[in-house]
Amino acid sequence: EPEVTQTPSHQVTQMGQEVILRCVPISNHLYFYWYRQILGQKVEFLVSFYNNEISEKSEIFDDQFSVERPDGSNFTLKIRSTKLEDSAMYFCASSIGGMALHFGNGTRLTVT
Amino acid sequence: KNEVEQSPQNLTAQEGEFITINCSYSVGISALHWLQQHPGGGIVSLFMLSSGKKKHGRLIATINIQEKHSSLHITASHPRDSAVYICAVPWYNTDKLIFGTGTRLQVFP
Repeated sequence: EPEVTQTPSHQVTQMGQEVILRCVPISNHLYFYWYRQILGQKVEFLVSFYNNEISEKSEIFDDQFSVERPDGSNFTLKIRSTKLEDSAMYFCASSIGGMALHFGNGTRLTVT
Repeated sequence: KNEVEQSPQNLTAQEGEFITINCSYSVGISALHWLQQHPGGGIVSLFMLSSGKKKHGRLIATINIQEKHSSLHITASHPRDSAVYICAVPWYNTDKLIFGTGTRLQVFP
């Protein structure tokens, strides 16, 4: 069965550094999402992406965050200048549209 | 006030028991998602439903749109069902999903 794959599984970075989290959605899916889950807390929506543009974003998704689909297969989340509070598990998901979401296994980001 | 409330927060059961997890929401929705988060952290979509009832194996999900309430049932529970079960609803007709805090289920043999 097709899967959403995320790399790396764990990323450690220093405060102030830029990170790029990578995702390869399922190939025929059209809608792409990033979510995050701070340890011990609930999952939070960050951003949705369709037709090469952001369709929705949350209050968390400020100017430090950006998303890109550079080559038709990868879907990336960039954090320009990481803060301690960005430490979380980041999940990518994709869907055909109006259908169930398929999640990746997540990238654990640790900011020191 | 949370837009999505789940109960109970924690649930323990003996193998074979019938499990019910509840979700109430306050926003207008087009569909509701039930998700399972494994102990390792991965998330799997179980159901997406907008009316009535859906069944997949030992899992059954129901929704009452008028009452803004959904339930997830597990029949003949098994230790491998131990996970966190999460309800999520879209913010009105947007792609923005609002998640519940989850119900942690432990099933003992």
